[in-house]
Amino acid sequence: QVQLVESGGGVVQPGRSLRLSCVASGFTFSNYAMHWVRQAPGKGLEWVAVVSYDGTTTHYADSVKGRFTISRDKSKNTLFLHMNSLGPEDTAVYYCARDLVELATTGDCYFDLWGRGTLVTVSS
Amino acid sequence: DILMTQSPSSVSASVGDRVTITCRASQDISSWLAWYQQKPGKAPKLLIYGAFNLQSGVPSRFSGSGFGTDFTLTINSLQPEDFATYYCQQANSFPSTFGQGTRLDIK
Repeated sequence: QVQLVESGGGVVQPGRSLRLSCVASGFTFSNYAMHWVRQAPGKGLEWVAVVSYDGTTTHYADSVKGRFTISRDKSKNTLFLHMNSLGPEDTAVYYCARDLVELATTGDCYFDLWGRGTLVTVSS
Repeated sequence: DILMTQSPSSVSASVGDRVTITCRASQDISSWLAWYQQKPGKAPKLLIYGAFNLQSGVPSRFSGSGFGTDFTLTINSLQPEDFATYYCQQANSFPSTFGQGTRLDIK
């Protein structure tokens, strides 16, 4: 079954760190660029970061640059998002998403497969 | 960053109606535009990419058009399952950005 399953969300205090994971199955994970997209409660979608299919290239939204790190483990078919210095503005459902195009460095940035999301709440 | 502006922010329509949602980019994005549908509590679903390409499995009543800065999503003959929120997204350059969303309600 082709799917993405996120985990690692929860309640975290401001200033702390958290690591999200996204396990891919049913497709050749190493052929696709992968993205994180988030959605604050009741708000719209915000693209967060991308990692190239080979893991060598990354890009970030300005709002998370220097605080978040996206990475991937080919052997575990897993995408990660390491989040540091979390603030209330980072409270959101975090989705991992697959890029539409195979074997394109950072993809075309169209998201054809999404996970169900994991909720991160930053609160004291 | 490229600003994406959708209009209207919300629209009410009836089953069988035709609905048009527009999206304007703050700079030329060629055809690097996608449309997504999102229902409450669910992940977004890709409908259209490259401004007019229908994603596999998406009904043909959905269509997209536009180039440069102005884009349109049209839904013909609305079905009950089409009532949702719709987002445009530019894929021309990083950071990718989304419109604020258009909520489509039942009249």
